[in-house]
Amino acid sequence: DTEVTQTPKHLVMGMTNKKSLKCEQHMGHRAMYWYKQKAKKPPELMFVYSYEKLSINESVPSRFSPECPNSSLLNLHLHALQPEDSALYLCASSQDLDRDFREQYFGPGTRLTVT
Amino acid sequence: AQSVAQPEDQVNVAEGNPLTVKCTYSVSGNPYLFWYVQYPNRGLQFLLKYITGDNLVKGSYGFEAEFNKSQTSFHLKKPSALVSDSALYFCAVRDDTGGFKTIFGAGTRLFVKA
Repeated sequence: DTEVTQTPKHLVMGMTNKKSLKCEQHMGHRAMYWYKQKAKKPPELMFVYSYEKLSINESVPSRFSPECPNSSLLNLHLHALQPEDSALYLCASSQDLDRDFREQYFGPGTRLTVT
Repeated sequence: AQSVAQPEDQVNVAEGNPLTVKCTYSVSGNPYLFWYVQYPNRGLQFLLKYITGDNLVKGSYGFEAEFNKSQTSFHLKKPSALVSDSALYFCAVRDDTGGFKTIFGAGTRLFVKA
C-alpha cells in the first residue's frame, strides 16, 4: 500500500471557523510533511515531522497548528484563517529523513477555500 | 543554498515524438534529484530519483532522466510521448549536507497533442 489519504477533499470555511485537515499513511513511514500549493505553483513546505516530533516549521503563521498523534496520522488545525490561505494543502510522507529514502509520497490534497 | 530551475514554463510535443523537460540545479554538497508529476486536482506523484551511480535513471511510465554533473542538469526524457503524459512536472533537489528540505522547481507544463 503506497497510498497517503487526506480528508476532507474540499473544505470551505469562514475566517472565524476552526477546522482540521487529516492525513493518514500505512506505509510505516516515519517522516510526514504538510505543504501548501497555490495554483500552477510548486508546493511550499510548511511543516516536517520526524518520528512524531516537529523537525521543521517554515515560519508558518500560528493560525496553522500541526499535530502528529502517532506515526500514521498527521493533522493540521486551522483557526482564524485569511482568504489568502485558500490553496491546495498536500500531505506527504517518506520512509525517514535519512539520505537513502528521501522520495516523498503525496496525498491527493485538500482544496481549502476561506471566505 | 540549494536551488533548482526549470527554464520552460511549457513544453509542447506531438504524440509519439520524444520529449524532454529540462532541469538544472545548484547544491552545496552532493545532489539528490527527483522528478514528480502532478495531474489536475491531484497530489504529486514520484517518477524517479538520482542518488548515485548510473547517470541514466529509469523511472515509472517509461520516463528516464539523465544526470549531468558538469552541466548540473537532470533532464527528464521519454522516447515516445503519450497524450496521457500531459501534466505538470516538477524537478526537486536535496543535498547531503544534512538538511531535511526538498526544493522544488517552478514546474513545467507538458502538453502532448494527438
